[in-house]
Amino acid sequence: QSVLTQPPSASGTPGQRVTISCSGRSSNIGRNTVNWYQQLPGTAPKFLIYSNNQRPSGVPDRFSGSKSGTSASLAISGLQSEDEADYYCAAWDDSLNHVIFGGGTKLTVL
Amino acid sequence: QVQLVQSGAEVKKPGASVKVSCQASGYTFTGSYMHWVRQAPGQGLEWMGRINPNSGGTNYAQKFQDRVTMTRDTSINTVYMELSRLRYDDTVVYYCAREGQFGELFDYWGQGTLVTVSS
Repeated sequence: QSVLTQPPSASGTPGQRVTISCSGRSSNIGRNTVNWYQQLPGTAPKFLIYSNNQRPSGVPDRFSGSKSGTSASLAISGLQSEDEADYYCAAWDDSLNHVIFGGGTKLTVL
Repeated sequence: QVQLVQSGAEVKKPGASVKVSCQASGYTFTGSYMHWVRQAPGQGLEWMGRINPNSGGTNYAQKFQDRVTMTRDTSINTVYMELSRLRYDDTVVYYCAREGQFGELFDYWGQGTLVTVSS
């Protein structure tokens, strides 16, 4: 059972903007930064967003992250077919003293 | 460039142990924590624990506390994850993943190692 809550699915058409939410608690998102990953089928997750809203080098600026209180969001603008993937959020949890992940959101580009 | 290269797929019997390796290159091995994350087929990501390659200190998820051991060999820039008393539901892909120098989770990932538990 995931401690961070994500919607199981999301969808959009090419060019649209979609957002994926990630809800947690004070012990995790409330106190620590949120990271996001993109996972294409059959591959390892790819680092997408760190420190709530920072993009690693090479990640397009179409991807953005935000955090407010105990929730975070990933936004993808100008949706492209290659964005179809699973997306996960993660954060450190101070109560559990370990990393927790969201259950993942499967993004479909219609 | 940073690379994490994991050992190959394994097939084990229930009750046995498996040891997966992750060899790092392209950065100062002792400068970043290494974590292990696993993923069952069609399922989400699950954190198993981490090791400090400098000190050898570890943190494990409570779920795996009594079955997992993470070690490192600094002479070959390699970390290991050993899981004992394997069960059928340990048939998953295991990933090593580096914690970034500023605490980012997780900036580089290994390619994954499939462990199949089968009688």
